[in-house]
Amino acid sequence: EAQVTQNPRYLITVTGKKLTVTCSQNMNHEYMSWYRQDPGLGLRQIYYSMNVEVTDKGDVPEGYKVSRKEKRNFPLILESPSPNQTSLYFCASSLSDTSYSYEQYFGPGTRLTVT
Amino acid sequence: QKEVEQNSGPLSVPEGAIASLNCTYSDRGSQSFFWYRQYSGKSPELIMFIYSNGDKEDGRFTAQLNKASQYVSLLIRDSQPSDSATYLCAVTGGYQKVTFGTGTKLQVIP
Repeated sequence: EAQVTQNPRYLITVTGKKLTVTCSQNMNHEYMSWYRQDPGLGLRQIYYSMNVEVTDKGDVPEGYKVSRKEKRNFPLILESPSPNQTSLYFCASSLSDTSYSYEQYFGPGTRLTVT
Repeated sequence: QKEVEQNSGPLSVPEGAIASLNCTYSDRGSQSFFWYRQYSGKSPELIMFIYSNGDKEDGRFTAQLNKASQYVSLLIRDSQPSDSATYLCAVTGGYQKVTFGTGTKLQVIP
């Protein structure tokens, strides 16, 4: 089954404790992206990657890191989480960059709470 | 000014009616436009995409794009209660960045 998986689905952590949210897709997609979704603010792009070893900042990259060492994986790293990073996070992938008509497939989401 | 604007709603329509969802964007260089549907607690899923001026129809859904007015809309004909969800407009331009609107909540009343 073609899918985007994220782990964990739910995470409660404390300020400053490094964490990684994994994202993996089995569709051989080149483009992958991370978003956070907050009430009233919608989906905001954090980072995206057009291919292995190629990443770029989205609209809200502060406090986040990413890496793309393999085509299928695109982990999101919070080196020192803070309460303002409490949010619902989505990973997405698409066949190519989204300036064309390729749709993005979204993972199920990770609900992160930082206390 | 937000780059992609949508009325947050809720937009309430009776079952069988046409629901009209609207989206405006600020970047004239925007190239592709997407409508996603998001049920509560779920991830977004693509409904339609459009990148040329005019209308694009797919079943009960029609996307309309007017680049001169920087306006994109989604029409849902014969609305069903299962169409009740939040509809997200997304816009892409150069550099592969994607910008989403905050979404319009649609309620279809049986």
